[in-house]
Amino acid sequence: GAVVSQHPSRVICKSGTSVKIECRSLDFQATTMFWYRQFPKQSLMLMATSNEGSKATYEQGVEKDKFLINHASLTLSTLTVTSAHPEDSSFYICSARDLKGGGPYEQYFGPGTRLTVT
Amino acid sequence: RKEVEQDPGPFNVPEGATVAFNCTYSNSASQSFFWYRQDCRKEPKLLMSVYSSGNEDGRFTAQLNRASQYISLLIRDSKLSDSATYLCVVKGNQAGTALIFGKGTTLSVSS
Repeated sequence: GAVVSQHPSRVICKSGTSVKIECRSLDFQATTMFWYRQFPKQSLMLMATSNEGSKATYEQGVEKDKFLINHASLTLSTLTVTSAHPEDSSFYICSARDLKGGGPYEQYFGPGTRLTVT
Repeated sequence: RKEVEQDPGPFNVPEGATVAFNCTYSNSASQSFFWYRQDCRKEPKLLMSVYSSGNEDGRFTAQLNRASQYISLLIRDSKLSDSATYLCVVKGNQAGTALIFGKGTTLSVSS
């Protein structure tokens, strides 16, 4: 099956620093990738939709200048959390949509990145 | 109103029990429906799609009622390994639209 990787799997950083999370589709091309955030005991909340070669579309309430998304190729999207604060500590998960689309497996999830800001 | 609402849970059941989860969604234009399973501190994994005609996969049965915008998941003969959070998920009808997740219902199966 299709595989999506995320790196790093876990990161601890100091308040005020920036953190970059990579999401890669390993064996398929993804025109669209989605970034989700999940706080403890909460559901996955969509942050933004990332389209290859164009600007990301952010959900209401998500600061685009704080969460920078770049989707430079069909297999890689990055999320940079700028000037991280403790309230940004969360589980960040990406999913990638297969270029061919269709079917229930059209979106594949990465294993997630657990960010802790101290 | 939240887009996808689920039973609050948690459900604590003994092995062998039958348990049912319910879910309602607000967007009548939603076209695809799924149940995902999420283990603690892991990414969600697709359990099964949900079709209007109802579908079954082993011990799992999913039902969809479009008229009442209601989705259900029935688990029969619960196993210890079924302990997880079950997420009700809907998707719009346009290509590239994201999945909308419910908050999830936690199931704990004990021996």
